[in-house]
Amino acid sequence: GQSLEQPSEVTAVEGAIVQINCTYQTSGFYGLSWYQQHDGGAPTFLSYNALDGLEETGRFSSFLSRSDSYGYLLLQELQMKDSASYFCAVSKGRRALTFGSGTRLQVQP
Amino acid sequence: GAVVSQHPSWVICKSGTSVKIECRSLDFQATTMFWYRQFPKQSLMLMATSNEGSKATYEQGVEKDKFLINHASLTLSTLTVTSAHPEDSSFYICSASDRVGDTQYFGPGTRLTVL
Repeated sequence: GQSLEQPSEVTAVEGAIVQINCTYQTSGFYGLSWYQQHDGGAPTFLSYNALDGLEETGRFSSFLSRSDSYGYLLLQELQMKDSASYFCAVSKGRRALTFGSGTRLQVQP
Repeated sequence: GAVVSQHPSWVICKSGTSVKIECRSLDFQATTMFWYRQFPKQSLMLMATSNEGSKATYEQGVEKDKFLINHASLTLSTLTVTSAHPEDSSFYICSASDRVGDTQYFGPGTRLTVL
């Protein structure tokens, strides 16, 4: 089977840095994606790692270690609008995704 | 960037009726479309994958006769929830990808409430 584990909740203050970890067990691994979802909205793509290492996109960075079946999303200079749920997702084959359970991030003033 | 739309954005129906949800890729050809279901405060669960012109592949536990998927063109896929029941009330989200990319573009979702 496939499984992805993430912390259920993380709380941080504005301006801080937060890291959301994701470990996975799956067959047919191709890459790890991260998505943001605000309450009532659809997921928004944040980043994708196919290779080991760090990918940086503005305030967001994502890391992957395939040997450890582990990745994380790093959010810097947190803003109130970053309060949302964050999902890691494993590519099964080339496109289909299996999502983690999601991490609810609360940014406090 | 690529845009995927869904229609309707929300729907309320009576138990026993059927509901059709459309998913359209507006500015690219979607060779593959995915349908997800998300219950409140839970993760997205993949229901089925459809490739244009062929039958959808359903995930284990998803009833293909209840959730009818049609992907008749490169820009349109439909999900029909047949004989809907209150337990089918959920947030249904589609996504689409083209021939080239690994990125999936998600639609805004459709909230279904079955009374």
